[in-house]
Amino acid sequence: EAQVTQNPRYLITVTGKKLTVTCSQNMNHEYMSWYRQDPGLGLRQIYYSMNVEVTDKGDVPEGYKVSRKEKRNFPLILESPSPNQTSLYFCASRSVGNEQFFGPGTRLTVL
Amino acid sequence: SQQGEEDPQALSIQEGENATMNCSYKTSINNLQWYRQNSGRGLVHLILIRSNEREKHSGRLRVTLDTSKKSSSLLITASRAADTASYFCATDGAGAGSYQLTFGKGTKLSVIP
Repeated sequence: EAQVTQNPRYLITVTGKKLTVTCSQNMNHEYMSWYRQDPGLGLRQIYYSMNVEVTDKGDVPEGYKVSRKEKRNFPLILESPSPNQTSLYFCASRSVGNEQFFGPGTRLTVL
Repeated sequence: SQQGEEDPQALSIQEGENATMNCSYKTSINNLQWYRQNSGRGLVHLILIRSNEREKHSGRLRVTLDTSKKSSSLLITASRAADTASYFCATDGAGAGSYQLTFGKGTKLSVIP
């Protein structure tokens, strides 16, 4: 089954404790991206990747890092999480010109 | 950056009625896509309409695209309570090798049984 998976689905952590949210897709898509979704603000793109070892900032990259060492994986790293990074996070992938597939979401709470 | 703007922000209708949502955008596109999101879940692709198409159907969904007005509409006919969700339009910008999808803030649809 074609899908994007994310882990963990729920995470409660404390300020400053480094964390990684994993993302994996099985559709051989070149393009992957991370979004955060907050009430009233819609989907905002954090980072995206056009292919292996090619990443770029989206609209709200501050406080986040990504890497794309393999085509299927695109982890999101929060080196020192802060409460304003409490949000619902989505990973997505697509091939050019086609629909985008979203992961199920990761609900992150930073205390 | 957000390009698509959905209208209305929220819509409440009775089961069986039709629901119409609109999307306006600003720049040239290759295609426009509509997605649905149930509360707290991932977005699910509904339909894609290319810039050279004017209308597309999928089941109870009908999408129109007017590139001269830079607008699109999503019509859900004979709505059901299960259609309650947020609906987003996303524009796929014109340009060789473009991968970026730009999402609007969505229309929250409530279908009352």
